Amino acid sequence: AQTVTQSQPEMSVQEAETVTLSCTYDTSESDYYLFWYKQPPSRQMILVIRQEAYKQQNATENRFSVNFQKAAKSFSLKISDSQLGDAAMYFCAYRSTNAGKSTFGDGTTLTVKP
Amino acid sequence: KAGVTQTPRYLIKTRGQQVTLSCSPISGHRSVSWYQQTPGQGLQFLFEYFSETQRNKGNFPGRFSGRQFSNSRSEMNVSTLELGDSALYLCASSLSGAGANVLTFGAGSRLTVL
Repeated sequence: AQTVTQSQPEMSVQEAETVTLSCTYDTSESDYYLFWYKQPPSRQMILVIRQEAYKQQNATENRFSVNFQKAAKSFSLKISDSQLGDAAMYFCAYRSTNAGKSTFGDGTTLTVKP
Repeated sequence: KAGVTQTPRYLIKTRGQQVTLSCSPISGHRSVSWYQQTPGQGLQFLFEYFSETQRNKGNFPGRFSGRQFSNSRSEMNVSTLELGDSALYLCASSLSGAGANVLTFGAGSRLTVL
């Protein structure tokens, strides 16, 4: 069974600064997908970024980028130029190629200080 | 395009009662999955339905059940409620449920068991 670990329950960052959220996972599969989802307070969870394991190039979406290290089974999220609206709980998730189940980490609560 | 709609948004039940939660996916999405979110356990996978068939099931007791209708709408039922069932129940839909498909989440149904 796959597991996802987010070792940082809480993180804080100053507005306009950069922060990196950590995620490690365990799997015996070679092909899979990794996601970061964001859940703002009392709001719906939304996708931040997605990475295909077969792609070596790290995914980027505007101010959000990942550092995907397949051999180390590490998938960190970097948020550049942090904004107040980035404050949320961030979940790292793993999904097999053919499975309908996503495995989530416990989440990291990000606070952005003005 | 309407998002994922979950009803009811909030409900209070007492131990021993049963509850039914509803989820209407995004039009065209055939996969619906359910997750239980609690502060202590994070996001736990309940089950996933695709074309009216349960494809995956998490490690929850038989008191938790679900179904999917021909229009892809899904319901989950919890019988003989326990205090520990208090949680935010999230529904997510995707095109096929597998691989790269992004989950689109609903706002959740917050269940309180007294």
